[in-house]
Amino acid sequence: QVQLVESGGGLVKPGGSLRLSCAASGFSFTDYHMGWFRQAPGKGLEWVSYLSSRSSIIYYADSVKGRFTISRDNAKNSLYLQMNSLRAEDTAVYYCARDGSKGTGWFFNHWGQGILVTVSS
Amino acid sequence: DIVMTQTPLSLSVTPGQPASISCKSSQSLLYSDGKTYLSWYLQKPGQPPHLLIYEVSSRFSGVPDRFSGSGSGTDFTLTISRVEAEDVGVYFCMHSLQLPPTFGPGTKVDI
Repeated sequence: QVQLVESGGGLVKPGGSLRLSCAASGFSFTDYHMGWFRQAPGKGLEWVSYLSSRSSIIYYADSVKGRFTISRDNAKNSLYLQMNSLRAEDTAVYYCARDGSKGTGWFFNHWGQGILVTVSS
Repeated sequence: DIVMTQTPLSLSVTPGQPASISCKSSQSLLYSDGKTYLSWYLQKPGQPPHLLIYEVSSRFSGVPDRFSGSGSGTDFTLTISRVEAEDVGVYFCMHSLQLPPTFGPGTKVDI
């Protein structure tokens, strides 16, 4: 079955960096576009970034543009989110998710369990 | 950005009874290809979101048929025909018409 497992979260000081990973299994990773989302404690869902299957299309939310970098390694069935210049407001549970669409009208039909990122001094 | 609103924000339901959640967008979600890009997710306590409905009314694989979606343009509804205890959680609508995709604030459903 489809599995997405995030790792790499933790506590980091403001201005610091973290790299999140999302290990995919149970499907042909190369065929699917992927996204990252986040959810601040007790808050709603926020889209963070999107990457097409061959890494040709990349999008970021304005709130992370210039600080976060999304990437993937199809040979390793893995999705990544490099997060630099972290701020307190980046504190959230981060989810990777698989896009079930063909690239237009995204809908995310599989989600990882999430990983907590805490930015605090 | 397109603003998504949901009503109610909280809903207490009785098992076996119907329930509905409204989602409104600040602009039409109808795309030039004729499809409308509105999806619904349920986040059960302590779990990630999971997809219920996409493109307004298409039920995702494995989702019970008591869940249905309807609407057009800017007004959408998620309906649970007969609520079960396992349906508790927070329901979110999300548009994907343009960047950035945005979510409604969520509707908390409890029994």
